[in-house]
Amino acid sequence: DGGITQSPKYLFRKEGQNVTLSCEQNLNHDAMYWYRQDPGQGLRLIYYSQIVNDFQKGDIAEGYSVSREKKESFPLTVTSAQKNPTAFYLCASSMTPLAGGREQFFGPGTRLTVL
Amino acid sequence: GNSVTQMEGPVTLSEEAFLTINCTYTATGYPSLFWYVQYPGEGLQLLLKATKADDKGSNKGFEATYRKETTSFHLEKGSVQVSDSAVYFCALQSVNTGNQFYFGTGTSLTVIP
Repeated sequence: DGGITQSPKYLFRKEGQNVTLSCEQNLNHDAMYWYRQDPGQGLRLIYYSQIVNDFQKGDIAEGYSVSREKKESFPLTVTSAQKNPTAFYLCASSMTPLAGGREQFFGPGTRLTVL
Repeated sequence: GNSVTQMEGPVTLSEEAFLTINCTYTATGYPSLFWYVQYPGEGLQLLLKATKADDKGSNKGFEATYRKETTSFHLEKGSVQVSDSAVYFCALQSVNTGNQFYFGTGTSLTVIP
């Protein structure tokens, strides 16, 4: 079955540590996205990538980094510079975003807790 | 700029009641509009979409009509079930900003038997 996988489902981190969240898709989608979800808020875009080896900052990129070395993979690193990293992180992908009306497909999410 | 405003929740309904969740948007140009649903602890799933004015999206008994004159995309269902309990997100996709998505804050729905 095609889809998006995120791992791990739950992640605990000590303050001052970097941590990497995995996102893999087998939908052959060009574009991939990372969102952060906090209680009572909508989704906020962290980073997105429309093609391999290229990515752009979203609205809240500070304290995060990404890479896009393969079409299928878009890992997110939460660095120690991110002041409030505890949140639910969602990865998404879509076909080429050049045409409108293309929905985003979401993974199951990773819940990160900083201890 | 682009933004989505949803009615605040939480919303609690009895089974078989009529559901409306209001969504209005601000956008330049002609955005595509979406409703997503999120069950507890999971990612978002597409519920329905509409890509141009007067289009009606529908799925699983839910429907929403793209109203350009009122910049709205209200979600409706005639008879809700307990299994509809979830958080519902309205979203727009704007061609003018590289087809990025803009999400509302979500509306939590609880359906009681």
